[in-house]
Amino acid sequence: DAKTTQPNSMESNEEEPVHLPCNHSTISGTDYIHWYRQLPSQGPEYVIHGLTSNVNNRMASLAIAEDRKSSTLILHRATLRDAAVYYCILSGGPNNAGNMLTFGGGTRLMVKP
Amino acid sequence: KAGVTQTPRYLIKTRGQQVTLSCSPISGHRSVSWYQQTPGQGLQFLFEYFSETQRNKGNFPGRFSGRQFSNSRSEMNVSTLELGDSALYLCASSSGQRHSGNTIYFGEGSWLTVV
Repeated sequence: DAKTTQPNSMESNEEEPVHLPCNHSTISGTDYIHWYRQLPSQGPEYVIHGLTSNVNNRMASLAIAEDRKSSTLILHRATLRDAAVYYCILSGGPNNAGNMLTFGGGTRLMVKP
Repeated sequence: KAGVTQTPRYLIKTRGQQVTLSCSPISGHRSVSWYQQTPGQGLQFLFEYFSETQRNKGNFPGRFSGRQFSNSRSEMNVSTLELGDSALYLCASSSGQRHSGNTIYFGEGSWLTVV
């Protein structure tokens, strides 16, 4: 499975934008890029996903590099409730016939008031 | 609509015992996956069931098993419990279509402590 690389931790100030980077240089043409986040003592929560084009939803935006070897999750205005571990995950490939996600270490986002 | 429901939320077992965890997926979802989360290993995929058949399997010993019923509800079982099986066990559901763009929804997990 293609792997992702994320910084271990990042800090942000409340109400400022946050850009969470993810490198996936071995991504295949069929891999989707997923972002999930996990708040303390909860299960992971879907944030956003995309294949080639940038995506927006009510939670965040996903910017995908033209060569798809990296992506950035953008939180437009961080709140204290956004403090969580953010996982960038690739899903797909010829051996993933189902819905198996391979989680890395993620980025722990700390939001300062 | 209701989310993914896992029971029990918390349980304590003794080494050597066995445990069964239950998961009710989102209505209409046919794929159920199970994950183990520990501080040392992070989130690791256990297995996935789709239409009562195991479709993917992670790298866990045979003590870990699962099944899915015709209503898509799933159970996982761990036999001969070891201290290292103490973890948060997460269930996730999705529509299960055979492509990678599915959104996967997680439950809140079952906290298992083995003493």
